Amino acid sequence: AQRVTQPEKLLSVFKGAPVELKCNYSYSGSPELFWYVQYSRQRLQLLLRHISRESIKGFTADLNKGETSFHLKKPFAQEEDSAMYYCALMDSGGSNYKLTFGKGTLLTVNP
Amino acid sequence: NAGVTQTPKFRILKIGQSMTLQCAQDMNHNYMYWYRQDPGMGLKLIYYSVGAGITDKGEVPNGYNVSRSTTEDFPLRLELAAPSQTSVYFCASSYGGGVSYEQYFGPGTRLTVT
Repeated sequence: AQRVTQPEKLLSVFKGAPVELKCNYSYSGSPELFWYVQYSRQRLQLLLRHISRESIKGFTADLNKGETSFHLKKPFAQEEDSAMYYCALMDSGGSNYKLTFGKGTLLTVNP
Repeated sequence: NAGVTQTPKFRILKIGQSMTLQCAQDMNHNYMYWYRQDPGMGLKLIYYSVGAGITDKGEVPNGYNVSRSTTEDFPLRLELAAPSQTSVYFCASSYGGGVSYEQYFGPGTRLTVT
């Protein structure tokens, strides 16, 4: 079974500080990992995905298959980064289009 | 483009009542999905569709039905509402299936069953 764990419900940092949102997964197949974000009063939207190897809004995430992790990092947090962040997993190999989401981490960046 | 739209935004149902949550997209996406999000939990897939006339069960399909008669619309039907169906329901769509295609989400419908 697919499972995504985000151990922190809440994370609070000060502006300019580094931030790391943790994500661990459990899956026996070949997973593809995503980070989704929901800003206040906005829709859930894709932030970044491992397959694209990209940096979005200064955020990066590295897939560590040994530690089964996909932590989201940003070196200098901004107030506008305050949002709910969800890690999600999909089977990259089959016809299963299901996204399995973690419970989310609410990030607050204080001025 | 309006993207993915959902109606209603909020609804309160009595136990045993039925209702249909509407979802539409104007992006000509082939794939559509229904998720539910219980308080403090992640989203869970209820049903999905890979094209008009084709639907399949997700992780938590019990108590729900779907249909996909057009590419644009993907309504979710609740029969005999139960308190356990109190949740926020999200519809999403993507052009294709799999990891290369971004899923676009609607604003959600907050449903309370009392």
